[in-house]
Amino acid sequence: EAGVAQSPRYKIIEKRQSVAFWCNPISGHATLYWYQQILGQGPKLLIQFQNNGVVDDSQLPKDRFSAERLKGVDSTLKIQPAKLEDSAVYLCASSADTGQAFFGQGTRLTVV
Amino acid sequence: AQSVTQPDIHITVSEGASLELRCNYSYGATPYLFWYVQSPGQGLQLLLKYFSGDTLVQGIKGFEAEFKRSQSSFNLRKPSVHWSDAAEYFCAVGARSGRTDKLIFGTGTRLQVFP
Repeated sequence: EAGVAQSPRYKIIEKRQSVAFWCNPISGHATLYWYQQILGQGPKLLIQFQNNGVVDDSQLPKDRFSAERLKGVDSTLKIQPAKLEDSAVYLCASSADTGQAFFGQGTRLTVV
Repeated sequence: AQSVTQPDIHITVSEGASLELRCNYSYGATPYLFWYVQSPGQGLQLLLKYFSGDTLVQGIKGFEAEFKRSQSSFNLRKPSVHWSDAAEYFCAVGARSGRTDKLIFGTGTRLQVFP
């Protein structure tokens, strides 16, 4: 069974630039999560989708972050414009109706 | 609101020694509880999970955890640590909302293993 795929693995951008991350969840998983993990901290939920609908985006900085999952499968997370404090690993995870989330390897973003 | 506390930021043990990583949660109902491990540059791998039933759960790599409702704890244990266990460990609580779960993570415990 293929796991959660994320790209790119690494990205370095200058502040005020924009960046996008892509996630392909495990086939058949209805729930998709985006987490932000700042160095030395636990993952923080940014947004949660159930199929193509948003379940929770209460911690998403909506002035600069956006995410979509148009066909209920792949998802993209965008930051525009990026700030220095956005430097983190962005983790995508998916789950079926079992409560167990499977994680991708993450995208490490460095904003300089 | 649900939350997870991992009191130990960093733990160092000798190879072959026993290990216990602490996790306390706050949640109004019976939670789903998870332990994940993260090696450098890697994603999160599930070690074990508790949904219901037997409060002592077995996981991969020889890990186990015990759910204690009275103490709101879900501590992770391993009787004999291997050098390859050095990693970051995260406890998480899952709150069911409809047909989906919201996963809340603790801040993690970094495990260092000395030969």
